[in-house]
Amino acid sequence: DTEVTQTPKHLVMGMTNKKSLKCEQHMGHRAMYWYKQKAKKPPELMFVYSYEKLSINESVPSRFSPECPNSSLLNLHLHALQPEDSALYLCASSQDWGLNGAAFFGQGTRLTVV
Amino acid sequence: AQKITQTQPGMFVQEKEAVTLDCTYDTSDPSYGLFWYKQPSSGEMIFLIYQGSYDQQNATEGRYSLNFQKARKSANLVISASQLGDSAMYFCAMSENTGGFKTIFGAGTRLFVKA
Repeated sequence: DTEVTQTPKHLVMGMTNKKSLKCEQHMGHRAMYWYKQKAKKPPELMFVYSYEKLSINESVPSRFSPECPNSSLLNLHLHALQPEDSALYLCASSQDWGLNGAAFFGQGTRLTVV
Repeated sequence: AQKITQTQPGMFVQEKEAVTLDCTYDTSDPSYGLFWYKQPSSGEMIFLIYQGSYDQQNATEGRYSLNFQKARKSANLVISASQLGDSAMYFCAMSENTGGFKTIFGAGTRLFVKA
């Protein structure tokens, strides 16, 4: 099983809403990632969790709050987002570094902030 | 600081022909890894191939091969016998040993395969 599952696939939310994106992997990978991707742009790294601990935060605004409840789950809590936060949010996981650092991605959540 | 450059915004290739997608990189870390990913219109990123900085031979995975020229800091992806299903966005990416799990992506190249 080499899947990374993200839910929901699509999300429309108002600027005052609170929502969460969910990501799950059952490959035993020790690193999990959140990326943001705008149309026709490369993915931009937001957060990295290694062994369930936040290891990288790429200066992401606090309206995005990551959470790693266990080694298989990764959440991204959203609050008071702006329309410019509309994007494809990709979750990924990898086993390690080097060749084992190849990331497996979910299909993403297409987020629209209205 | 690490940097990845893909200079071809779009490429066209005839079905069954080979195509090369360019990627150059810059890093001061002697230990790094280079990746190529494919992103179809559905949005999912698919890992294609990996090259480590200390690997002596160019990586190959089926129809994909990586032309690694370390001195020139280039890691071009070669797709042989192109298929219509190869039409997608292709990203070159790099991670440094000292960067932990941080991976940066190039701007991408959109590949169009013509029948």
